[in-house]
Amino acid sequence: GAVVSQHPSRVICKSGTSVKIECRSLDFQATTMFWYRQFPKQSLMLMATSNEGSKATYEQGVEKDKFLINHASLTLSTLTVTSAHPEDSSFYICSARQGISYNEQFFGPGTRLTVL
Amino acid sequence: SQKIEQNSEALNIQEGKTATLTCNYTNYSPAYLQWYRQDPGRGPVFLLLIRENEKEKRKERLKVTFDTTLKQSLFHITASQPADSATYLCALGRDDKIIFGKGTRLHILP
Repeated sequence: GAVVSQHPSRVICKSGTSVKIECRSLDFQATTMFWYRQFPKQSLMLMATSNEGSKATYEQGVEKDKFLINHASLTLSTLTVTSAHPEDSSFYICSARQGISYNEQFFGPGTRLTVL
Repeated sequence: SQKIEQNSEALNIQEGKTATLTCNYTNYSPAYLQWYRQDPGRGPVFLLLIRENEKEKRKERLKVTFDTTLKQSLFHITASQPADSATYLCALGRDDKIIFGKGTRLHILP
């Protein structure tokens, strides 16, 4: 099956610093990539949708200047958490999809971000 | 606002029995419904998709039903095994958007 990787798997940073998370589709071209955030015992919350070569579409309540998304190629999307604060600590998961909306999304293993 | 409820936060089932998980939703008309498995500290893994015009879908020991009148989906694992222990997420989709439930933690007891 299709594989999506994320790097890093865990990151600890100081408050005020920026953190970049990479999401790669390893064996397919992803027309669309999604970024989710999951707090403990909560559901995955969609943060933004990105299509290769265009600006990301952010969900209501998600600050686009704080969570910068770049989808420079069909196999790579990055999420940068700028000026991170402890409340940004969470599990960030990306997913990638080929083609039309009925196609399944393939999820990455997630990145655990801890902001001290 | 849209709401998805998965029947219980945790469910204990004896090995070999059928586990049944419930997903109810309100204020939404999904075009399709998906079930995912998520292990601790990992991303979700896709299991099954069922479209709004389908009643039932099967895949090996898994069966999903979708009742758009009741706004409910049932997810069954037959002949359950300890390796089936995980959190199972229900997700509703229309066009590009997928909305996830909080999940049910399933424990299969040996």
